[in-house]
Amino acid sequence: GAGVSQTPSNKVTEKGKYVELRCDPISGHTALYWYRQSLGQGPEFLIYFQGTGAADDSGLPNDRFFAVRPEGSVSTLKIQRTERGDSAVYLCASSPERNTEAFFGQGTRLTVV
Amino acid sequence: DAKTTQPTSMDCAEGRAANLPCNHSTISGNEYVYWYRQIHSQGPQYIIHGLKNNETNEMASLIITEDRKSSTLILPHATLRDTAVYYCIVRVARHADSSYKLIFGSGTRLLVRP
Repeated sequence: GAGVSQTPSNKVTEKGKYVELRCDPISGHTALYWYRQSLGQGPEFLIYFQGTGAADDSGLPNDRFFAVRPEGSVSTLKIQRTERGDSAVYLCASSPERNTEAFFGQGTRLTVV
Repeated sequence: DAKTTQPTSMDCAEGRAANLPCNHSTISGNEYVYWYRQIHSQGPQYIIHGLKNNETNEMASLIITEDRKSSTLILPHATLRDTAVYYCIVRVARHADSSYKLIFGSGTRLLVRP
């Protein structure tokens, strides 16, 4: 595709439910990043993949958050037992190599009610 | 991790140069300065990056001081579409696996006035 694609663009879920957010990176990009952005704040790093492996997951806030990238392309961010504080825009970015600029998707707006 | 300091907000007139400052006094020798911007309701967009030399591309110029403790992003002829939040970021590299994650601050909200 032309850019990083994230689906859904909006997701409303009830507190306690499980959600999955999907990221389709630019074809051929080996590095993939997940960020979370709350209103009025800059994006907050969550996790970084190089290929299929999570090279840096130091930003995941707790064990309710998990991300996978099984074939080194599409990634899914999974949130268990959602809380209202999880409401934010979740951004995905990819880059062709580790030390080049990252291209961001439009994000998924998650609202936990 | 090197931290950056930016003014909360700035404004400039359309057609004039916008000069956005950033302080990064604790930057390490092998850390790059990156600039991204985020227009309302969109994902961040890469603008430019540099190590120690000044850089220019079709979007902007980046001026880095000789001691590398500060930099300035210059939009030479600002347009209304340049209204956005501009983030100055020092790119962190973890030697163990070269993570290269970007740590965003709060950025500078630039308003370009007609």
